[in-house]
Amino acid sequence: GQQLNQSPQSMFIQEGEDVSMNCTSSSIFNTWLWYKQDPGEGPVLLIALYKAGELTSNGRLTAQFGITRKDSFLNISASIPSDVGIYFCAGHISSNTGKLIFGQGTTLQVKP
Amino acid sequence: GAGVSQSPRYKVAKRGQDVALRCDPISGHVSLFWYQQALGQGPEFLTYFQNEAQLDKSGLPSDRFFAERPEGSVSTLKIQRTQQEDSAVYLCASSTDGNQPQHFGDGTRLSIL
Repeated sequence: GQQLNQSPQSMFIQEGEDVSMNCTSSSIFNTWLWYKQDPGEGPVLLIALYKAGELTSNGRLTAQFGITRKDSFLNISASIPSDVGIYFCAGHISSNTGKLIFGQGTTLQVKP
Repeated sequence: GAGVSQSPRYKVAKRGQDVALRCDPISGHVSLFWYQQALGQGPEFLTYFQNEAQLDKSGLPSDRFFAERPEGSVSTLKIQRTQQEDSAVYLCASSTDGNQPQHFGDGTRLSIL
């Protein structure tokens, strides 16, 4: 089935550093979404992207919808301890179904 | 409530028992989704409702899994004759429309002994 390849699988960084993670696929996506999940909780929506080339920011977070529609990246600037968690990319392949395809997640740890 | 509410938060059942998981979506959200999340993995799609109509059930792993949303609001995911491989977190999400961003509940963690 369709798959999203998300990288890196995990990151361990110093507080204050910038972070970048990305997702790629062999399939074309109509939307890209980035979620953050904390232990014992459901994924929380961070950013939604709807058009190829779109660049959207939410505070210290910036995400882009790749021109080819097969990739997306998420950047976090000036990381803080509460950024710790698992980040998932997700997207819709078809406009006819609400089914979201998820990446495998990037685990972020921040050292104070 | 303001968000998607799921109950119970934790469920332990013996292999072979039937279980029912409940999802209360955000008020007014037409679309409702169920996902299964195995430990260390991303959520995987199970099924999708638009109001009371089940438009996509392609992700249900077997005929032991059944979902319903009879009045277009609350949904129940039922698993019959549970097996150990059914152990996972079951997430429910809702959205204003099928392709709008989905908002997730905190899930039900199901453990089959």
